[in-house]
Amino acid sequence: QSALTQPPSASGTPGQRVTISCSGSSSNIGSNTVNWYQQFPGTAPKLLIYSNNQRPSGVPDRFSGSKSDTSASLAISGLQSEDEADYYCAAWDDSLNGVVFGGGTKLTVL
Amino acid sequence: QVQLQESGPGLVKPSETLSLTCAVSDYSISSGFFWGWIRQPPGKGLEWIGNIYRSGSTDYNPSLKSRVTISVDTSKNQFSLKLNSVTAADTAVYFCARMNGGNFYYFDYWGQGTLVTVSS
Repeated sequence: QSALTQPPSASGTPGQRVTISCSGSSSNIGSNTVNWYQQFPGTAPKLLIYSNNQRPSGVPDRFSGSKSDTSASLAISGLQSEDEADYYCAAWDDSLNGVVFGGGTKLTVL
Repeated sequence: QVQLQESGPGLVKPSETLSLTCAVSDYSISSGFFWGWIRQPPGKGLEWIGNIYRSGSTDYNPSLKSRVTISVDTSKNQFSLKLNSVTAADTAVYFCARMNGGNFYYFDYWGQGTLVTVSS
């Protein structure tokens, strides 16, 4: 059971806008910033969004993040086939004194 | 571009100790940041194992704390993971990564990962 809750799957058609939710608690998302990672099969995760809504250099602006209270969301607009991957949210947890991850969401581009 | 590379045995027997090293290139561990280990069992999600700072201070996942030791060797610019009393449940791809602290706590550079299988 992950500390952060994500839907196991999401899907969309090319060009569509898709959102992935991440639900936590007051000790993690409610107190700290949220980060998102993208992972393709057989590869290491890649930082996609940090500090709730900041994109590292090189990440397309089609990807955006938001946070409200104890929940966060990742939005992907103009969905492309190459966006098909697993997406993980993560945050620091003050109670555990460590990083907690969501269970991951597998995004399928139909 | 910071590079990280995990190394260590790919097969460990049950009850023995898993030992991995992460070599860091193009950035000096002594300069700062936190350095962490994350694992991913086959077909499953990511699990944070722990972090270490250049000073040697550590944070561990409470669920693994009794079995984990993370250490740093600034002279070799590398850090290491030891997980003792392993079982099949510890079979996973193990990643090392650099973590930005300061209330952000995100991993910005990752190693490629190394699969460790626990089996007799």
